[in-house]
Amino acid sequence: GIQVEQSPPDLILQEGANSTLRCNFSDSVNNLQWFHQNPWGQLINLFYIPSGTKQNGRLSATTVATERYSLLYISSSQTTDSGVYFCAVGVISSGGSYIPTFGRGTSLIVHP
Amino acid sequence: DVKVTQSSRYLVKRTGEKVFLECVQDMDHENMFWYRQDPGLGLRLIYFSYDVKMKEKGDIPEGYSVSREKKERFSLILESASTNQTSMYLCASSLLGSRETQYFGPGTRLLVL
Repeated sequence: GIQVEQSPPDLILQEGANSTLRCNFSDSVNNLQWFHQNPWGQLINLFYIPSGTKQNGRLSATTVATERYSLLYISSSQTTDSGVYFCAVGVISSGGSYIPTFGRGTSLIVHP
Repeated sequence: DVKVTQSSRYLVKRTGEKVFLECVQDMDHENMFWYRQDPGLGLRLIYFSYDVKMKEKGDIPEGYSVSREKKERFSLILESASTNQTSMYLCASSLLGSRETQYFGPGTRLLVL
């Protein structure tokens, strides 16, 4: 199956710093999503971005599908950005269903 | 807003017990998923369903079964719980199709003693 690798696995920042998280994937995909999991376990979808660039406030994401990677940028980080960031890529199963595969995540801690 | 709810936030069971985890979504989504999350391993797909009574195995279906009798409800069943099934279980739903985002429930932390 498709392989999804995220880097770095862990990241510690001071409040106000910027960061870049990376997601590499091993095959062509129909779908790519970025999620944030807060310290209480809830996953929230940040971006649906199979290609191109999107921005939402201090967060932005870029996917270069031809080179099989995506980047998530966090600017002016805040303590509320702490948590785990997951990349999930989707392929179509043999039965014709869309199956998302998750990376292992980047754990981010932002200190005040 | 899409709402995905799970029957319990925390659950403690004994080895050998039959365990039911339930998930309900209120947005008429065709797809529903069950994942387990373990430290350092990310989310691994156990089963998913794309329609009532339809299911497909994910990456780690051993020791689990599922039931989807109604579109809004997807149940995960541990037939005989074992300690290695102690984990965080996450349910998600999405519309049918490859261009749809997933919406997650709050998760159930299961401890099997």
